[in-house]
Amino acid sequence: GAVVSQHPSRVICKSGTSVKIECRSLDFQATTMFWYRQFPKQSLMLMATSNEGSKATYEQGVEKDKFLINHASLTLSTLTVTSAHPEDSSFYICSATTTSEGVYNEQFFGPGTRLTVL
Amino acid sequence: AQTVTQSQPEMSVQEAETVTLSCTYDTSESDYYLFWYKQPPSRQMILVIRQEAYKQQNATENRFSVNFQKAAKSFSLKISDSQLGDAAMYFCAYFNYQLIWGAGTKLIIKP
Repeated sequence: GAVVSQHPSRVICKSGTSVKIECRSLDFQATTMFWYRQFPKQSLMLMATSNEGSKATYEQGVEKDKFLINHASLTLSTLTVTSAHPEDSSFYICSATTTSEGVYNEQFFGPGTRLTVL
Repeated sequence: AQTVTQSQPEMSVQEAETVTLSCTYDTSESDYYLFWYKQPPSRQMILVIRQEAYKQQNATENRFSVNFQKAAKSFSLKISDSQLGDAAMYFCAYFNYQLIWGAGTKLIIKP
């Protein structure tokens, strides 16, 4: 299957600082990337959907000014957590896919990034 | 709105035995996809099996098979000959325009 990487795998930062997480599709061109948040022992919560070259679509309740998403190329999307606070501590997962109208294309998941805000 | 329900927070099975994980969903759509994903302790999400709603035949992948009951909106996963490496969280998911996730079932394999 296709490979999606995330960097860093773990990050610890101080409250008030910003953190950038990268998601890369290594062997395919991802027209769409998704960002999820996963709390301990819970399911994935979709935060936003990003299409290459356009603004991300955020799910209800997700602060777009806090979680900045950029999908500048077909192989890279970034999630920046701005002015991070301890409540932003979580496991963040990205997935990537190609898209075809009316057809499901498999989402390939990155290994996740654990963010800890002190 | 579509919902996915996994009513078993945790299941345990003896190694080499068979276990079935339950999943029900709610939708008014006729065309959609259903998935089982595995998330081991590494947290890497792995696709286990996929079912297209228009297909009546149940999907199988080696030791993994599903029982897809479209009218009942049920999509259970059967794992045969359970192995220690099967221990993980298992998530049922529904896709129409986006993935909708169940809460997950933690599977414990007893040696």
